Amino acid sequence: GDSVTQMEGPVTLSEEAFLTINCTYTATGYPSLFWYVQYPGEGLQLLLKATKADDKGSNKGFEATYRKETTSFHLEKGSVQVSDSAVYFCALSDRRDDKIIFGKGTRLHILP
Amino acid sequence: ETGVTQSPTHLIKTRGQQVTLRCSSQSGHNTVSWYQQALGQGPQFIFQYYREEENGRGNFPPRFSGLQFPNYSSELNVNALELDDSALYLCASSSGQGLNEQFFGPGTRLTVL
Repeated sequence: GDSVTQMEGPVTLSEEAFLTINCTYTATGYPSLFWYVQYPGEGLQLLLKATKADDKGSNKGFEATYRKETTSFHLEKGSVQVSDSAVYFCALSDRRDDKIIFGKGTRLHILP
Repeated sequence: ETGVTQSPTHLIKTRGQQVTLRCSSQSGHNTVSWYQQALGQGPQFIFQYYREEENGRGNFPPRFSGLQFPNYSSELNVNALELDDSALYLCASSSGQGLNEQFFGPGTRLTVL
């Protein structure tokens, strides 16, 4: 079945460092891809999405490009801030139904 | 605009008991999805309700059941609780079917002793 694999955490970086969180997926169809973020004590929030190959999703300085040839959707940010500390989930949704399949999450710690 | 709310925030039950979790969807949303998030894991899809009917189910046993009411709020019921049911239960609402964005509530933390 469809699945998402993302790099394990925790990831610890200094403020203003470059961030990459790797994500690859397996899907039989043509899924939409998402990154969700979960701040401490809060619910999941959609960070960005891409619905077809070569689409780039972006929000709050974060970017991810839908790469069909490598089945990847890596999350990047050029300069992280302490406020970016959270758990990040890569996810996909197959167009055949509405369920979202999540990766296990990557905890990110940003040190001042 | 009111976001997705869930109650209670925390709950402690013992094995074999039954539990009901509640979710109020965001204004204007008619679809509710439920997810289970075990500690250190990503959320797993339990089921979805669209206009009061179940509209898809994940790999969860029948003791996980749900309801959606005419105002589109929803309940998740779990019977015969097991220790492995301890998790954060998330509710998400969306407008219609298809790939419309799902908005998540803060979750209910269930502990089964």
